[in-house]
Amino acid sequence: EVQLVESGGGLVKPGGSLRLSCGASGFTFSSYSMNWVRQTPGRGLEWVSAISSNSGYIFYADSVKGRFTISRDNAKNSLYLQMNSLRAEDTAVYYCARDRTATHACDIWGQGTMVTVSS
Amino acid sequence: IRMTQSPSSFPASTGDRVTITCRASQGISSYLAWYQQKPGKAPNLLIYAASTLQSGVPSRFSGSGSGTDFTLTISCLQSEDFATYYCQQYSSYPLTFGGGTKVEIK
Repeated sequence: EVQLVESGGGLVKPGGSLRLSCGASGFTFSSYSMNWVRQTPGRGLEWVSAISSNSGYIFYADSVKGRFTISRDNAKNSLYLQMNSLRAEDTAVYYCARDRTATHACDIWGQGTMVTVSS
Repeated sequence: IRMTQSPSSFPASTGDRVTITCRASQGISSYLAWYQQKPGKAPNLLIYAASTLQSGVPSRFSGSGSGTDFTLTISCLQSEDFATYYCQQYSSYPLTFGGGTKVEIK
């Protein structure tokens, strides 16, 4: 079964750090570009970051540039998001999502992990 | 690229034909996807390349448009279709989503 499973969410104070992980199974992880997408009740779906299959290209939303770092380990079938200098507005459910082949539409999504930034 | 969906909510009944509109702030060719999301669940890809049905998606869903104006149509609404629908452009980074259209029971 093709599956993505996020972990690492939780409660963190403003200015703190958190590292999210996403484990992939059921497909050749190293062949796909991957994304992090977040969702809040007030702001809907917001794309956060993308990384190509070999980490050759990386993109970030302006809202997280300089604070978040996306990475992957193809040997471990894993995607990561290192989040530093967290702010209240980073509070959201974070999803990892796979790029559909030859597109940047997301065809496989994880179940999401909640990140709450609060003092 | 800003994506604007309308309406933001749409009261409908089972069996209705539903059309949702998505407009891009600049031309995106056919680099548009539609997603369905139910409460507490991740989004589910319905359509990509503006009009190509993702595998496993019922044929009552269809998409059309190119450039800046796009539509998602549900030809005969079923009970399981009450959900929120989002468009997303993938013409260029940053990828952007529309604000969503909630199809709710009339």
